Amino acid sequence: NAGVTQTPKFQVLKTGQSMTLQCAQDMNHNSMYWYRQDPGMGLRLIYYSASEGTTDKGEVPNGYNVSRLNKREFSLRLESAAPSQTSVYFCASSEKIAGFTDTQYFGPGTRLTVL
Amino acid sequence: AQSVTQLDSQVPVFEEAPVELRCNYSSSVSVYLFWYVQYPNQGLQLLLKYLSGSTLVKGINGFEAEFNKSQTSFHLRKPSVHISDTAEYFCASSGGSASKIIFGSGTRLSIRP
Repeated sequence: NAGVTQTPKFQVLKTGQSMTLQCAQDMNHNSMYWYRQDPGMGLRLIYYSASEGTTDKGEVPNGYNVSRLNKREFSLRLESAAPSQTSVYFCASSEKIAGFTDTQYFGPGTRLTVL
Repeated sequence: AQSVTQLDSQVPVFEEAPVELRCNYSSSVSVYLFWYVQYPNQGLQLLLKYLSGSTLVKGINGFEAEFNKSQTSFHLRKPSVHISDTAEYFCASSGGSASKIIFGSGTRLSIRP
């Protein structure tokens, strides 16, 4: 099992360019998440998908869109990149136990720089 | 509302010394509690979790944590740290109906030889 995979690993964009970060999981989890991590800010939730066909905003959704393509895949799109979106992006997936979100499994991250 | 507070942003310790990383949670409902570790340039991985049962939870790499409901704490401990434990540690909780986990701000553990 590969777990959670993310592509690309690194990306440099110019201000105003668009791009899509891809994420896939092979654990048959219902829930998937996108986080960004900045120095001193911990993890901040951008969007999540509790199940196939649903998406919800997290703490910092502005400037991003998501698509839950199927149960395995959850993509994050930056329509017009800004320097403030320079960050490390993590995708994660999880399942529920007795109504509680159980362990989240994280991908290796995408390091994005916007010039 | 649910929240998680990690009381120390950085903890420096000497190799082979004991360490405790502190975590307090706030929730009006029952919660699951987690500790994750993030090594440099990697994603987060689970160290241990408390769902129910025994309040002392053992995890990987010799770490353990104790759930204390009266003090709403879930502190992480290791009796003797190694250089390889240098990492950032995140406490997290999940509870209620939302499909989210709430993360603390992280504690950076640095080990001095």
